[in-house]
Amino acid sequence: SQQGEEDPQALSIQEGENATMNCSYKTSINNLQWYRQNSGRGLVHLILIRSNEREKHSGRLRVTLDTSKKSSSLLITASRAADTASYFCATGSLQGAQKLVFGQGTRLTINP
Amino acid sequence: EAGVAQSPRYKIIEKRQSVAFWCNPISGHATLYWYQQILGQGPKLLIQFQNNGVVDDSQLPKDRFSAERLKGVDSTLKIQPAKLEDSAVYLCASSLAGWETQYFGPGTRLLVL
Repeated sequence: SQQGEEDPQALSIQEGENATMNCSYKTSINNLQWYRQNSGRGLVHLILIRSNEREKHSGRLRVTLDTSKKSSSLLITASRAADTASYFCATGSLQGAQKLVFGQGTRLTINP
Repeated sequence: EAGVAQSPRYKIIEKRQSVAFWCNPISGHATLYWYQQILGQGPKLLIQFQNNGVVDDSQLPKDRFSAERLKGVDSTLKIQPAKLEDSAVYLCASSLAGWETQYFGPGTRLLVL
């Protein structure tokens, strides 16, 4: 079952620009997480935001959460070539078992 | 701190053969997950263990897939018999608890011919 839907599916920007990815979900959540996956590698956790939080920062990353709209956004500022990867949101739904459900991801390409 | 270990990294088999994957989670992590990731898609949860017990296996094709977690530590995922559509990356992850940050292994890339 798919909970999170990322938008856009693919994004291509120039190095130094900001990248914004969005995630929408359907059910009430405990938390929402963002992960990065470089080609052919495992996923790496970026940031976790709980349902009672509205914004969180980590280095060049900024995540917002709007539970009334059931949506989140991930902003990467001053992008670098090394940021080229797929980005996934994962939601910890309050329905059913305590597990994460991943979206289909946004493929981000940073052009030099 | 050692990460999540998986083996093998790559496996090529013919359809109807069997295959097994192994995962060693981060020490102390009670929750272990197996995901299937088809190219271009997000990870799909196959099975989630809490210590020795199964928390969720609703998307595990039980007619051909099986998994176990012995003594609440290592885990194996088996496919028997494999189908062409099983070609995917199989990811193992672990966490302290069900909703918390998950740490992923490098994955096993399976190709079924």
